[in-house]
Amino acid sequence: DQQVKQNSPSLSVQEGRISILNCDYTNSMFDYFLWYKKYPAEGPTFLISISSIKDKNEDGRFTVFLNKSAKHLSLHIVPSQPGDSAVYFCAATVGNYQLIWGAGTKLIIKP
Amino acid sequence: DTAVSQTPKYLVTQMGNDKSIKCEQNLGHDTMYWYKQDSKKFLKIMFSYNNKELIINETVPNRFSPKSPDKAHLNLHINSLELGDSAVYFCASSQYPSGPTGGIQYFGAGTRLSVL
Repeated sequence: DQQVKQNSPSLSVQEGRISILNCDYTNSMFDYFLWYKKYPAEGPTFLISISSIKDKNEDGRFTVFLNKSAKHLSLHIVPSQPGDSAVYFCAATVGNYQLIWGAGTKLIIKP
Repeated sequence: DTAVSQTPKYLVTQMGNDKSIKCEQNLGHDTMYWYKQDSKKFLKIMFSYNNKELIINETVPNRFSPKSPDKAHLNLHINSLELGDSAVYFCASSQYPSGPTGGIQYFGAGTRLSVL
């Protein structure tokens, strides 16, 4: 039973444009949502997070939006750069310690 | 200086063998984790230790045994390796499992295990 879903396995975006990565969840008890970025042959690295009591969090080029009624969050990257090409994982926490992960979306930034 | 390091990076072995993967973190974190990334690329938690105490023990075959000699190290020992154990195993650590940002975890580069 997938509690965190990333329905797009891949996304291709032109350099300089906006990249929008989506994530849906089923568990209304999740208290934090996190985005991680992963390059090949490396471990995931933390990008940005949002508390379930907020609807937006921004950090430089990265903004995460949370729509609790729709159980949906999205990561916006503006402007997209070649170095943003990676796999992006959405994850959520419920209680202490445990992260529940989506399957990831591979973002390809075209020059 | 690598924050979370795991060794080896690649491990190729025969079915039935016993192997270990080591993980060390120099971030001063209290909590460490082992994840398995399967063929569908899902990251699944296997174990978590907080201050050397096991706090998460997911449904994992008992051939897998974590060992935490101190809070900076969490090793994974696997007995009687099977073909289905082939995967990438990630070690991670965190300082505030339920802190204001939701428990950011820092990952090692992964160990790619291939069982032949």
